[in-house]
Amino acid sequence: DTGVSQDPRHKITKRGQNVTFRCDPISEHNRLYWYRQTLGQGPEFLTYFQNEAQLEKSRLLSDRFSAERPKGSFSTLEIQRTEQGDSAMYLCASSLQAGRTETQYFGPGTRLLVL
Amino acid sequence: DQQVKQNSPSLSVQEGRISILNCDYTNSMFDYFLWYKKYPAEGPTFLISISSIKDKNEDGRFTVFLNKSAKHLSLHIVPSQPGDSAVYFCAASVQAGTALIFGKGTTLSVSS
Repeated sequence: DTGVSQDPRHKITKRGQNVTFRCDPISEHNRLYWYRQTLGQGPEFLTYFQNEAQLEKSRLLSDRFSAERPKGSFSTLEIQRTEQGDSAMYLCASSLQAGRTETQYFGPGTRLLVL
Repeated sequence: DQQVKQNSPSLSVQEGRISILNCDYTNSMFDYFLWYKKYPAEGPTFLISISSIKDKNEDGRFTVFLNKSAKHLSLHIVPSQPGDSAVYFCAASVQAGTALIFGKGTTLSVSS
């Protein structure tokens, strides 16, 4: 399967701990996105990369959140000093730069529960 | 301020009939629109898209219609099948390849 993969699929942590999630995009996709989804809502954009450059960050991405894509391939999303409000599904998507009809393909997500 | 709205939280349809899911948007700068389907505990799966220069796009049983003057799009599924039961999200972006803005989703239930 050559789709977007995310690891871990589930994470339970205690408030105040740091967590890190990994995303591996579809091979050769040069854009990578992070979204967050809470119950009853659609996914909300967090940030995106074109190759290794982080091009846009949402105001949802507080200073406790940091994302990297060091070699333009996989990406990590770290949350420091987790809070109960960080409990959500964290989704990664990737796309190949393709002009007007570029489509984002999503991974299975990482479900985070902060106790 | 919700820029993409799916006003029907749920829709029930019988197998073989047409399902029509609706989506309204407020940002006239949106240029690209997509529909995703989502099963529980999985990521969204891309279904179909349309750019603002078109008013219709078809792919098999799925057709998306765009009415720019009304800032409205709809997804038609014909014929509906029980396997179509899922949450459907409408999404839009100002430019393809940038942040997607999603609606809250519509849960479709197709009964046999």
